[in-house]
Order: sequence, then C-alpha cells, then structure tokens
Amino acid sequence: DAEITQSPRHKITETGRQVTLACHQTWNHNNMFWYRQDLGHGLRLIHYSYGVQDTNKGEVSDGYSVSRSNTEDLPLTLESAASSQTSVYFCASSEMYEQYFGPGTRLTVT
Amino acid sequence: KQEVTQIPAALSVPEGENLVLNCSFTDSAIYNLQWFRQDPGKGLTSLLLIQSSQREQTSGRLNASLDKSSGRSTLYIAASQPGDSATYLCAVVRDSNYQLIWGAGTKLIIKP
Repeated sequence: DAEITQSPRHKITETGRQVTLACHQTWNHNNMFWYRQDLGHGLRLIHYSYGVQDTNKGEVSDGYSVSRSNTEDLPLTLESAASSQTSVYFCASSEMYEQYFGPGTRLTVT
Repeated sequence: KQEVTQIPAALSVPEGENLVLNCSFTDSAIYNLQWFRQDPGKGLTSLLLIQSSQREQTSGRLNASLDKSSGRSTLYIAASQPGDSATYLCAVVRDSNYQLIWGAGTKLIIKP
C-alpha cells in the first residue's frame, strides 16, 4: 500500500544545530507540504512543492528550507535550530486537493 | 484573509448519541472543504472532501454538509462510539494552489 513516512519520529537537538527531517511518500504525488502544529496555533504551512525542483514558502518559512530532487522526498532543514521551533512537524502529499499525512515528527530544541 | 473557526473547542457526549461538529469560514470563495480526524500522537486522516459545487458528502456514519453562502460546514456523526473520540479539524482550499487553511479543531470525547 502507498504511504507517507517521516523520520525520525522524535528528535531532541540543541539550539544552533542544523536539523533535517525526512519525508518520503510512495503515492507518486506531485504536491508535498510541510506543516507545524502548535497548541493555540493549529496547523501552519512551512513550505510546499508542486514537483521536482519546485519549492515555495508558506506562512511560517523563516528558519526553514526544503529541496525537491525527486518525486518521493521533501526533506525539511532547520538551518540553526531555535527553541521557538520546538513543535510537531507533519508532512503531507496530494495529487489534487485531498492531502495524505505522515505520522509526524516531534522536535524538541533545548 | 480567509479564517476558519471551529466551535466548540471541545465536546463530550454519551455513547450512542448523534452529534454535529461545526466549521465556519469567512470567505465563501473556496474550492473545497475537507474534514480530518487526528488521534493523539498521530497524523491526520482525511475523512471527507466536499467540492465547492457539492452540498454534502457521506461516508458510513459520517455526513458532511457545505453551505458556501453562509460560510458554514457541519460534520454529522451518527450513533457515536468511543472509537470516535479524537480531534476533528476542518480545512478549506481557497483557490487552485492546493493550500489548506485550517481550523483549530474540536476535541471530541465519547463517554462509554
């Protein structure tokens, strides 16, 4: 069965370190999205991609970057982790409007 | 700017009751509206997607309605079960860019 996976599921890192969260989907979807979910803010879009070599900034993109070198993967990089980036991160993919979500990565920045 | 609101933030009902969850949005110009379910510590599962031209969608015990003119959608759950306990989120797609604008969710607890 097609699926979308995220790794690691839990990560603790220190302020200032570079961190990369992986997202891999086997749906063969063109569209991929990264969200963060925080209490009091709901889900907010960080970056998104409509295909290989295409990336776009979302609502809360400062401090994050993505690259899309193939259809299956959209890694999210925190250039220099900050405590404000402690959150749960979700990756999603879609072919049209219905999005399918991964299980999430809980990131703690100390 | 499109805003999506879900009220109440939390709801607790006895098992077996029928219930309605509400979602409102400020701009009626939407492409579609989706309802998701989120279990604690897990990802989101798509429940129903209603296109802007549709009035409702059904899946099993779930029925979602859409009234664009009033900026409202409801998710009706029939014969609720403890396994329905979860947070339910609605999200709208504003235009053809596939981006979702999210409500904050309603946490539903079904008491056995």
